[in-house]
Amino acid sequence: AQTVTQSQPEMSVQEAETVTLSCTYDTSESDYYLFWYKQPPSRQMILVIRQEAYKQQNATENRFSVNFQKAAKSFSLKISDSQLGDAAMYFCAYRMANAGGTSYGKLTFGQGTILTVHP
Amino acid sequence: NAGVTQTPKFRILKIGQSMTLQCTQDMNHNYMYWYRQDPGMGLKLIYYSVGAGITDKGEVPNGYNVSRSTTEDFPLRLELAAPSQTSVYFCASSYSPALADYEQYFGPGTRLTVT
Repeated sequence: AQTVTQSQPEMSVQEAETVTLSCTYDTSESDYYLFWYKQPPSRQMILVIRQEAYKQQNATENRFSVNFQKAAKSFSLKISDSQLGDAAMYFCAYRMANAGGTSYGKLTFGQGTILTVHP
Repeated sequence: NAGVTQTPKFRILKIGQSMTLQCTQDMNHNYMYWYRQDPGMGLKLIYYSVGAGITDKGEVPNGYNVSRSTTEDFPLRLELAAPSQTSVYFCASSYSPALADYEQYFGPGTRLTVT
C-alpha cells in the first residue's frame, strides 16, 4: 500500500522569505502523480501544484515549486517570497497513474504541515 | 458554476442518531469521493463512485453508506452515529483519472460532532 509522510507538523517563515515543506512517500509503482494541497482556515482544499512521476522536470506555479527526487521518493514544496495569505495547512498527496482496477483516482494524503507566516 | 456543494456546514448529533450528508456537483463529473479528516490528520477515503449506480468502499467505510442515483448527487449516510465519527467530511469530484490533468475538486466540508 502507498503511504505518504510529512515529518514536519509545523513550520514558520517570515514574510518575503522562503520556506520548504518536506514530503516522502512509499510506492512500488513507477508511474504516479504527486500533489500539494493547501487548506486555509476556511477548510477549502486548494490544489497548489502537481508533479507527474515520469517527468524529470520539477513543476513550478508562480512562487511555488517542487523538488522531486524519484529515487529518494521525496517531494518537497518550496514557497518563495512568502505572503501572509500562504498561511495554511499543506498536504502532500499521491495517486497512482493507472486509472483502472482499484486505483479509481484515489488520493493518499500525508498528515499535513501547518505553515505560519510572520509579518 | 457552483462546483461541489455540501450541506450542512455544521451538525451536532447525539450518539445513535442518523443523518445524511449531502453532496452535489454541477461539473458533470463521473467520479465522486467522500473523505473524512480527523483533527491534525490528512484525509482518508470513505467511499467513492465511478458513475451513477456504481459505488465502492474506500479505506474507512465502516459506519457509513452511500448511494449514487444521479451524476450530480452523492449523499453519505451515517447510521447509528458514534463519537469516533466526529470529523470533518469532504466530498470531491473529478473527471476520469486517466486524464493527464486530472484534479479532484473539493467541497467546503461538513464539520460533524457526535456527543
